[in-house]
Amino acid sequence: QKEVEQNSGPLSVPEGAIASLNCTYSDRGSQSFFWYRQYSGKSPELIMFIYSNGDKEDGRFTAQLNKASQYVSLLIRDSQPSDSATYLCAVVGGATNKLIFGTGTLLAVQP
Amino acid sequence: GAVVSQHPSWVICKSGTSVKIECRSLDFQATTMFWYRQFPKQSLMLMATSNEGSKATYEQGVEKDKFLINHASLTLSTLTVTSAHPEDSSFYICSARGRGGAGYSNQPQHFGDGTRLSIL
Repeated sequence: QKEVEQNSGPLSVPEGAIASLNCTYSDRGSQSFFWYRQYSGKSPELIMFIYSNGDKEDGRFTAQLNKASQYVSLLIRDSQPSDSATYLCAVVGGATNKLIFGTGTLLAVQP
Repeated sequence: GAVVSQHPSWVICKSGTSVKIECRSLDFQATTMFWYRQFPKQSLMLMATSNEGSKATYEQGVEKDKFLINHASLTLSTLTVTSAHPEDSSFYICSARGRGGAGYSNQPQHFGDGTRLSIL
């Protein structure tokens, strides 16, 4: 089992729709959860971080964390073509304190 | 805030050359810096972690004599690829994490723009 799992996609949504990106992790001791966006050929850019169960909203982005289910998600409201990128879920492992990345989900927002 | 500057953006050089990449945190003190490499269509691979003033900790399979890391200050880390060969061609990305409360590991990592290294 991978430590951080994401569906590779592509996830295709129409412009203006809500994009829902999901991630599960295996280390129950993990405490810190991050979403990064990576455009093709570029480095990752921090979008959101969340530490507590529940929802955290920042503009069009909402991160959701459920530690009991070991599940973290990112919702993007009013998706724009410029949101098209690979979204990386990253988790700080409870045992290693290292940031562990999922393989990313490719999001394609169709105009 | 939380800007990480990485230079150079592109390097093309001959086989056998040593290449130095700089990573600077511009508006915060980076207690820990990380070096990653990424091959096309693959995920980020952590190469090493460095804390200011300490020797870097390398991941399994990463040659410490090949990839020299120096983290001499709270704002600067360098990666030197020694005697680079074509198989070292990759996208190298640094990231930095600043001080936080009780748990430094909770602080987000901020990434530089990356260095695309091509060895001919």
